[in-house]
Amino acid sequence: DTGVSQDPRHKITKRGQNVTFRCDPISEHNRLYWYRQTLGQGPEFLTYFQNEAQLEKSRLLSDRFSAERPKGSFSTLEIQRTEQGDSAMYLCASSLSGDGYTFGSGTRLTVV
Amino acid sequence: KQEVTQIPAALSVPEGENLVLNCSFTDSAIYNLQWFRQDPGKGLTSLLLIQSSQREQTSGRLNASLDKSSGRSTLYIAASQPGDSATYLCAGPKAAGNKLTFGGGTRVLVKP
Repeated sequence: DTGVSQDPRHKITKRGQNVTFRCDPISEHNRLYWYRQTLGQGPEFLTYFQNEAQLEKSRLLSDRFSAERPKGSFSTLEIQRTEQGDSAMYLCASSLSGDGYTFGSGTRLTVV
Repeated sequence: KQEVTQIPAALSVPEGENLVLNCSFTDSAIYNLQWFRQDPGKGLTSLLLIQSSQREQTSGRLNASLDKSSGRSTLYIAASQPGDSATYLCAGPKAAGNKLTFGGGTRVLVKP
């Protein structure tokens, strides 16, 4: 297994555009998490899934954000009508019922 | 609500010194605690995972302790090297598989 994969690594978009990120977790992991990290801060929780069910969403996840995990495998995070404040590193992690968390390399979003 | 604090926020030491990084959390009902390393612009790499039934975990030059009753964990790095320069983050879920709550991290610089 190659670990948690995130795509793309970098994304530059114009304000108002929609963007979608993908995360492929470790195949046997049933839980998948999304975090957002801004410069100099620790990661902030956005949402997580157990299999295909979305179990929790942070208040940070405004209605412009949506996450899915169809069939309990990969996950997508979509941001609609991007704003400059959305510029951040978006991190994905997976775990097997909480027995340690493995993170991907992240997707760096820049909104210009 | 779990809050995690890491002290100091930044640390600069000459090569060869031992490092002591502190992590405190407000809710002692923590399932396990994990230490991560993050290089600039990269994702998180897991260093050590301490289960709630354990008091410490060791890997090479790294040793981490966990005291749930006092809400503290400490990461020791022996004989620091310039390659240890990075940001170190601690986090733990309240229950198995739940979201991680992160501290702000400790930024470490080891000078040759």
